[in-house]
Amino acid sequence: DAEITQSPRHKITETGRQVTLACHQTWNHNNMFWYRQDLGHGLRLIHYSYGVQDTNKGEVSDGYSVSRSNTEDLPLTLESAASSQTSVYFCASSESSDSNQPQHFGDGTRLSIL
Amino acid sequence: LAKTTQPISMDSYEGQEVNITCSHNNIATNDYITWYQQFPSQGPRFIIQGYKTKVTNEVASLFIPADRKSSTLSLPRVSLSDTAVYYCLVGSNDYKLSFGAGTTVTVRA
Repeated sequence: DAEITQSPRHKITETGRQVTLACHQTWNHNNMFWYRQDLGHGLRLIHYSYGVQDTNKGEVSDGYSVSRSNTEDLPLTLESAASSQTSVYFCASSESSDSNQPQHFGDGTRLSIL
Repeated sequence: LAKTTQPISMDSYEGQEVNITCSHNNIATNDYITWYQQFPSQGPRFIIQGYKTKVTNEVASLFIPADRKSSTLSLPRVSLSDTAVYYCLVGSNDYKLSFGAGTTVTVRA
């Protein structure tokens, strides 16, 4: 079955370090998304991609970057981790033919920055 | 992007029907209404989507009145495993979804 997987599931790091969270999907979807989820804020969009070599900023993109070198992967990088970036991060994907297509989510990465 | 309003929480008991109503007064003509379910330590999971009238699948039913300014997700005969957060979303702007706080449904024995 097709799936979307995130790794690692849990990570602890220190402020100032670079951190990369992996997201891999086997749906062959063109669209991929990164969200963060914090208490009181629901899910907020960080970055998204409509296809290979395409990346776009979401509503909370400062301090994060993504790259899309193939269809399957959209890694999320925190260039210099800050304590405010402690959160649960979710990756998602969807088909491109219809903007109402449901998104498929991974099970998240819980990131703690000390 | 249409704003949605749904209750923060709802309590129920096993075997009961749970109905969650979502208000979306500014829904656009081509917007669909989509509901997601999220369990602790998991990502949101699509459960149902509709445009008008009624949609039913193996998990839930979605009722949408003619004016489409609200919708009701119905979970029949809930069990303890239906305890989760339920999100109502309307339309999308360039595929970007906007999740609010959702409705926390707690099912008790």
